[in-house]
Amino acid sequence: QITLKESGPSLVKPTETLTLTCTFSGLSLSTSGEGVGWIRQPPGKALECLAVIYWDDDKRYSPSLKNRLTITKDTSKNQVVLRMTNMDPRDTATYFCVHSLWFGEKGFDPWGQGTQVIVSS
Amino acid sequence: EIVMTQSPVTLSVSPGERATLSCKASQSVSSDLAWYQQKPGQVPRLLIYGASTRTTGIPARFSGSGSGTEFTLTISSLQSEDFAVYFCQQYNKWPRTFGQGTKVEIK
Repeated sequence: QITLKESGPSLVKPTETLTLTCTFSGLSLSTSGEGVGWIRQPPGKALECLAVIYWDDDKRYSPSLKNRLTITKDTSKNQVVLRMTNMDPRDTATYFCVHSLWFGEKGFDPWGQGTQVIVSS
Repeated sequence: EIVMTQSPVTLSVSPGERATLSCKASQSVSSDLAWYQQKPGQVPRLLIYGASTRTTGIPARFSGSGSGTEFTLTISSLQSEDFAVYFCQQYNKWPRTFGQGTKVEIK
Protein backbone atom coordinates (compact mmCIF):
# COMPACT_ATOMS: atom_id res chain seq x y z
CA GLN A 1 0.00 0.00 0.00
CA ILE A 2 1.41 3.33 -1.08
CA THR A 3 1.01 6.33 1.20
CA LEU A 4 2.29 9.85 0.70
CA LYS A 5 2.38 12.77 3.09
CA GLU A 6 3.21 16.38 2.42
CA SER A 7 4.97 18.71 4.81
CA GLY A 8 6.03 22.32 4.65
CA PRO A 9 5.04 25.82 5.69
CA SER A 10 1.41 26.84 5.68
CA LEU A 11 2.21 30.52 5.23
CA VAL A 12 4.82 32.14 3.03
CA LYS A 13 5.43 35.73 2.10
CA PRO A 14 5.40 37.06 -1.44
CA THR A 15 8.79 36.68 -3.20
CA GLU A 16 9.85 33.94 -0.79
CA THR A 17 10.74 30.40 -1.83
CA LEU A 18 8.39 27.57 -0.90
CA THR A 19 9.91 24.21 -0.04
CA LEU A 20 7.58 21.23 0.25
CA THR A 21 8.57 17.71 1.17
CA CYS A 22 6.71 14.54 0.25
CA THR A 23 7.52 11.53 2.41
CA PHE A 24 6.21 8.27 1.06
CA SER A 25 6.07 4.59 1.84
CA GLY A 26 5.11 1.49 -0.08
CA LEU A 27 7.20 2.43 -3.10
CA SER A 28 10.82 3.10 -3.93
CA LEU A 29 12.08 5.67 -6.37
CA SER A 30 14.96 3.34 -7.14
CA THR A 31 12.47 0.93 -8.74
CA SER A 32 12.13 1.14 -12.49
CA GLY A 33 8.99 2.94 -13.59
CA GLU A 34 8.10 4.68 -10.34
CA GLY A 35 7.41 8.38 -10.10
CA VAL A 36 6.25 10.96 -7.57
CA GLY A 37 4.88 14.37 -8.39
CA TRP A 38 3.11 17.47 -7.19
CA ILE A 39 -0.31 18.81 -8.08
CA ARG A 40 -1.93 21.94 -6.73
CA GLN A 41 -5.47 23.18 -6.40
CA PRO A 42 -6.26 26.84 -5.73
CA PRO A 43 -9.40 27.34 -3.61
CA GLY A 44 -12.46 26.41 -5.64
CA LYS A 45 -10.44 25.88 -8.80
CA ALA A 46 -9.13 23.10 -10.96
CA LEU A 47 -6.12 20.88 -10.52
CA GLU A 48 -2.73 21.73 -11.99
CA CYS A 49 0.15 19.30 -12.40
CA LEU A 50 3.35 21.07 -11.34
CA ALA A 51 6.13 18.52 -11.62
CA VAL A 52 6.89 14.81 -11.60
CA ILE A 53 10.19 13.03 -10.97
CA TYR A 54 10.90 9.46 -12.01
CA TRP A 55 13.17 6.66 -10.80
CA ASP A 56 15.79 7.51 -13.43
CA ASP A 57 15.80 11.19 -12.37
CA ASP A 58 13.76 12.23 -15.41
CA LYS A 59 11.86 15.36 -14.44
CA ARG A 60 8.77 16.86 -16.01
CA TYR A 61 7.61 20.38 -15.24
CA SER A 62 4.62 22.55 -15.95
CA PRO A 63 5.81 24.77 -18.83
CA SER A 64 4.18 27.85 -17.32
CA LEU A 65 6.01 27.37 -14.01
CA LYS A 66 9.18 25.67 -15.18
CA ASN A 67 11.41 28.64 -14.41
CA ARG A 68 10.26 28.68 -10.79
CA LEU A 69 10.19 24.97 -9.97
CA THR A 70 12.78 22.43 -8.91
CA ILE A 71 11.91 18.85 -8.03
CA THR A 72 14.43 16.51 -6.45
CA LYS A 73 14.41 13.10 -4.85
CA ASP A 74 16.23 11.45 -1.96
CA THR A 75 15.84 7.77 -2.56
CA SER A 76 17.41 6.77 0.74
CA LYS A 77 14.89 8.85 2.69
CA ASN A 78 11.89 8.06 0.47
CA GLN A 79 11.34 11.76 -0.06
CA VAL A 80 10.66 14.13 -2.92
CA VAL A 81 11.16 17.86 -2.50
CA LEU A 82 9.55 20.62 -4.52
CA ARG A 83 10.94 24.14 -4.48
CA MET A 84 8.97 27.03 -5.93
CA THR A 85 10.64 30.41 -6.05
CA ASN A 86 9.22 33.92 -6.07
CA MET A 87 5.91 33.00 -4.46
CA ASP A 88 2.88 35.14 -5.25
CA PRO A 89 -0.60 35.34 -3.68
CA ARG A 90 -1.87 33.55 -6.81
CA ASP A 91 0.13 30.53 -5.68
CA THR A 92 -2.18 30.12 -2.68
CA ALA A 93 -3.45 26.56 -3.02
CA THR A 94 -3.55 23.09 -1.57
CA TYR A 95 -0.50 21.18 -2.75
CA PHE A 96 -0.79 17.43 -3.20
CA CYS A 97 1.91 14.83 -3.52
CA VAL A 98 0.97 12.04 -5.93
CA HIS A 99 2.23 8.70 -7.20
CA SER A 100 2.65 8.07 -10.90
CA LEU A 101 3.94 5.31 -13.13
CA TRP A 102 6.09 5.70 -16.22
CA PHE A 103 5.26 2.28 -17.62
CA GLY A 104 1.55 1.61 -17.88
CA GLU A 105 0.61 5.03 -16.58
CA LYS A 106 -2.83 5.14 -15.03
CA GLY A 107 -3.14 8.73 -13.92
CA PHE A 108 -2.18 9.82 -10.42
CA ASP A 109 -2.89 7.33 -7.68
CA PRO A 110 -2.82 7.57 -4.76
CA TRP A 111 -2.70 11.15 -3.49
CA GLY A 112 -1.37 12.54 -0.27
CA GLN A 113 -3.73 14.37 2.06
CA GLY A 114 -2.53 17.72 0.75
CA THR A 115 -1.04 20.72 2.47
CA GLN A 116 -2.53 24.17 2.32
CA VAL A 117 -0.19 27.01 1.46
CA ILE A 118 -1.22 30.63 1.82
CA VAL A 119 0.89 33.35 0.27
CA SER A 120 0.43 36.61 2.11
CA SER A 121 2.50 39.35 3.63
CA GLU B 1 -0.70 22.09 -24.04
CA ILE B 2 -3.80 19.92 -24.32
CA VAL B 3 -6.89 21.70 -23.01
CA MET B 4 -9.50 19.53 -21.34
CA THR B 5 -13.03 20.90 -21.34
CA GLN B 6 -15.71 19.39 -19.14
CA SER B 7 -19.45 19.86 -19.40
CA PRO B 8 -21.71 20.70 -17.84
CA VAL B 9 -20.12 22.76 -15.08
CA THR B 10 -22.90 21.69 -12.72
CA LEU B 11 -25.22 18.72 -13.07
CA SER B 12 -28.33 18.48 -10.89
CA VAL B 13 -29.51 14.90 -10.53
CA SER B 14 -31.94 13.10 -8.26
CA PRO B 15 -30.74 10.07 -6.32
CA GLY B 16 -31.24 6.93 -8.35
CA GLU B 17 -31.03 8.75 -11.67
CA ARG B 18 -28.29 8.46 -14.28
CA ALA B 19 -25.60 11.11 -14.59
CA THR B 20 -23.63 11.64 -17.77
CA LEU B 21 -20.52 13.80 -17.68
CA SER B 22 -18.55 14.90 -20.72
CA CYS B 23 -14.86 15.62 -21.21
CA LYS B 24 -13.36 16.86 -24.47
CA ALA B 25 -9.69 17.17 -25.35
CA SER B 26 -8.32 19.85 -27.65
CA GLN B 27 -6.40 17.14 -29.51
CA SER B 28 -6.38 13.37 -29.47
CA VAL B 29 -5.23 11.72 -26.24
CA SER B 30 -5.97 8.20 -27.46
CA SER B 31 -7.35 6.37 -24.41
CA ASP B 32 -4.97 8.03 -21.96
CA LEU B 33 -7.74 9.54 -19.91
CA ALA B 34 -8.46 9.33 -16.19
CA TRP B 35 -11.45 10.37 -14.10
CA TYR B 36 -11.26 11.49 -10.47
CA GLN B 37 -13.87 12.11 -7.81
CA GLN B 38 -13.39 14.79 -5.19
CA LYS B 39 -15.76 15.26 -2.29
CA PRO B 40 -15.72 18.51 -0.29
CA GLY B 41 -12.63 18.74 1.89
CA GLN B 42 -11.29 15.46 0.58
CA VAL B 43 -8.49 14.30 -1.66
CA PRO B 44 -9.21 13.46 -5.31
CA ARG B 45 -9.66 9.76 -5.83
CA LEU B 46 -8.88 7.95 -9.07
CA LEU B 47 -12.00 6.29 -10.43
CA ILE B 48 -11.15 5.30 -13.97
CA TYR B 49 -8.04 5.13 -16.14
CA GLY B 50 -7.48 4.12 -19.71
CA ALA B 51 -10.80 5.88 -20.40
CA SER B 52 -12.83 2.87 -19.27
CA THR B 53 -11.02 0.77 -16.64
CA ARG B 54 -12.27 1.11 -13.09
CA THR B 55 -9.68 1.12 -10.34
CA THR B 56 -9.91 -1.37 -7.52
CA GLY B 57 -12.92 -0.86 -5.30
CA ILE B 58 -14.84 1.46 -7.59
CA PRO B 59 -18.47 0.35 -7.94
CA ALA B 60 -19.73 -0.92 -11.27
CA ARG B 61 -22.25 1.93 -11.49
CA PHE B 62 -19.31 4.08 -12.61
CA SER B 63 -18.38 3.57 -16.25
CA GLY B 64 -16.17 5.43 -18.67
CA SER B 65 -16.15 5.49 -22.43
CA GLY B 66 -14.62 7.28 -25.38
CA SER B 67 -11.30 7.71 -27.11
CA GLY B 68 -9.48 10.35 -29.07
CA THR B 69 -11.02 13.66 -28.05
CA GLU B 70 -14.40 12.82 -26.56
CA PHE B 71 -15.00 10.98 -23.32
CA THR B 72 -17.92 10.25 -21.03
CA LEU B 73 -18.26 9.28 -17.41
CA THR B 74 -21.59 7.69 -16.57
CA ILE B 75 -22.95 7.03 -13.12
CA SER B 76 -25.81 4.66 -13.72
CA SER B 77 -27.80 5.20 -10.53
CA LEU B 78 -26.63 8.01 -8.31
CA GLN B 79 -26.13 7.23 -4.66
CA SER B 80 -25.88 9.84 -1.94
CA GLU B 81 -22.13 9.32 -1.68
CA ASP B 82 -21.65 10.11 -5.38
CA PHE B 83 -22.48 13.79 -5.09
CA ALA B 84 -19.08 15.36 -5.65
CA VAL B 85 -16.89 17.09 -8.22
CA TYR B 86 -15.50 14.99 -11.03
CA PHE B 87 -12.34 15.82 -12.96
CA CYS B 88 -10.94 14.33 -16.13
CA GLN B 89 -7.21 14.29 -16.84
CA GLN B 90 -5.16 13.35 -19.88
CA TYR B 91 -1.83 11.59 -19.61
CA ASN B 92 -1.02 11.27 -23.28
CA LYS B 93 1.20 14.34 -23.51
CA TRP B 94 3.15 16.59 -21.19
CA PRO B 95 2.13 18.63 -19.38
CA ARG B 96 -0.53 16.44 -17.85
CA THR B 97 -3.71 18.51 -17.80
CA PHE B 98 -7.05 18.41 -16.02
CA GLY B 99 -10.50 19.58 -16.89
CA GLN B 100 -12.09 22.27 -14.73
CA GLY B 101 -14.48 19.79 -13.16
CA THR B 102 -18.18 18.95 -13.14
CA LYS B 103 -20.06 19.29 -9.88
CA VAL B 104 -22.78 16.69 -9.45
CA GLU B 105 -25.32 18.05 -7.00
CA ILE B 106 -28.57 16.83 -5.55
CA LYS B 107 -31.63 17.95 -7.49
